[in-house]
Amino acid sequence: GAGVSQSPRYKVAKRGQDVALRCDPISGHVSLFWYQQALGQGPEFLTYFQNEAQLDKSGLPSDRFFAERPEGSVSTLKIQRTQQEDSAVYLCASSLDGGAGTDTQYFGPGTRLTVL
Amino acid sequence: AQKVTQAQTEISVVEKEDVTLDCVYETRDTTYYLFWYKQPPSGELVFLIRRNSFDEQNEISGRYSWNFQKSTSSFNFTITASQVVDSAVYFCALSEWDNQGGKLIFGQGTELSVKP
Repeated sequence: GAGVSQSPRYKVAKRGQDVALRCDPISGHVSLFWYQQALGQGPEFLTYFQNEAQLDKSGLPSDRFFAERPEGSVSTLKIQRTQQEDSAVYLCASSLDGGAGTDTQYFGPGTRLTVL
Repeated sequence: AQKVTQAQTEISVVEKEDVTLDCVYETRDTTYYLFWYKQPPSGELVFLIRRNSFDEQNEISGRYSWNFQKSTSSFNFTITASQVVDSAVYFCALSEWDNQGGKLIFGQGTELSVKP
């Protein structure tokens, strides 16, 4: 079956522009996660959705970052007024379970964001 | 606080050598999960294994094996008879049982280079 998909795969933005990154999770997966991976580092948690509810946004680095999952499926991560330090790969993951963290997260290919 | 440490930043071996990637974790919880993911040059994180904290049995899958030792808080990964296709960055990760979806805490990754 289809895995997690993300679009665009690459995005170049000028400093100050807004960007929107899309994630299509595996069909039927309840949980959806966003991670940020800086060059040469491990992924770092940004936010978590259980269906349409955003239950944890403790990892969002500033109020310029906003995520939504309005119908409990596709999710969008929006970054307003991009800065150079936002340059990273943004990874989306989904898992089947609905909360206890017992299930495996499957990752998409990521969106590489470069802010000039 | 939760933490995952992969002390080996880079490892280089010659094909057919065995190689062990180290992972040490910190957590205050008694129920938690440990994972290994592979990130090839294409960038997508590929799930390899998940273990829960109550199952200390070592596991073997083909050329891959994992050694989980709670006494030393380690979850090491061994590749036997390495191949060029094993070249990738390998991440160890930890998640705790909670009602927030089980976000992953990643180590810094170990870059494995297998030369022919």
